[in-house]
Amino acid sequence: EIVLTQSPATLSLSPGERATVSCRASQSIGSFLAWYQQRPGQAPRLLIYDASNRATDIPARFSGSGSGTDFTLTISSLEPEDFAVYYCQLRSNRPSDFGQGTRLEIK
Amino acid sequence: QLQLRESGPGLVKPSETLSLICDVSGGSVATNDYYWGWVRQAPGKGPEWIGTFFFGGHIYIRPSLTSRGTVSLDTSKNQLSLTLTSVTAADTARYYCVRGLVMDYSYYYYMDVWGKGTSVTVSS
Repeated sequence: EIVLTQSPATLSLSPGERATVSCRASQSIGSFLAWYQQRPGQAPRLLIYDASNRATDIPARFSGSGSGTDFTLTISSLEPEDFAVYYCQLRSNRPSDFGQGTRLEIK
Repeated sequence: QLQLRESGPGLVKPSETLSLICDVSGGSVATNDYYWGWVRQAPGKGPEWIGTFFFGGHIYIRPSLTSRGTVSLDTSKNQLSLTLTSVTAADTARYYCVRGLVMDYSYYYYMDVWGKGTSVTVSS
């Protein structure tokens, strides 16, 4: 079973700053990685799929990169609504678990 | 636009059976392009998938829940359901209905549509 490890667990930044969240897979997964955002009190929503493709209606300040085992979610300039928890998830031959999450909090 | 709406009892007593329904509107559950599933999230924890149903033939239940969980699809009602028997406090969570992408009939990938979820508390 491939395990996803996210870092950092918590990221403290200010609005307008750049955020970088990492997700590392225990084995190569090609580009089959998705990112989700979960705001307080809301369901998770898909942000990025195939490592770098933005989902529908996702702002351009969100970008994803990486392949193989190392992936990055970048938010170029943080807006107040971006302070949330972010999860990664891989493609598998059966449903897969999410990464443990990265909490992005206001500094 | 596809919408998912979960419904359930809200409060369940320990050892009883939890039954949840997800009404799907704006699209048919009878598709070979997507799977349908349940994800739950306990307070303060990350989401975890519970079970999935793929119209093309696969049903998966989370390994730790195989003895208690059932997922089914009712194409006539366009509904997904979840049954979890012998519940305990550890089953207290918000339960989400989701649609996910299936690739090549074999690979389970991202969940692109989520319901708002329904809260379930297990308590006497």
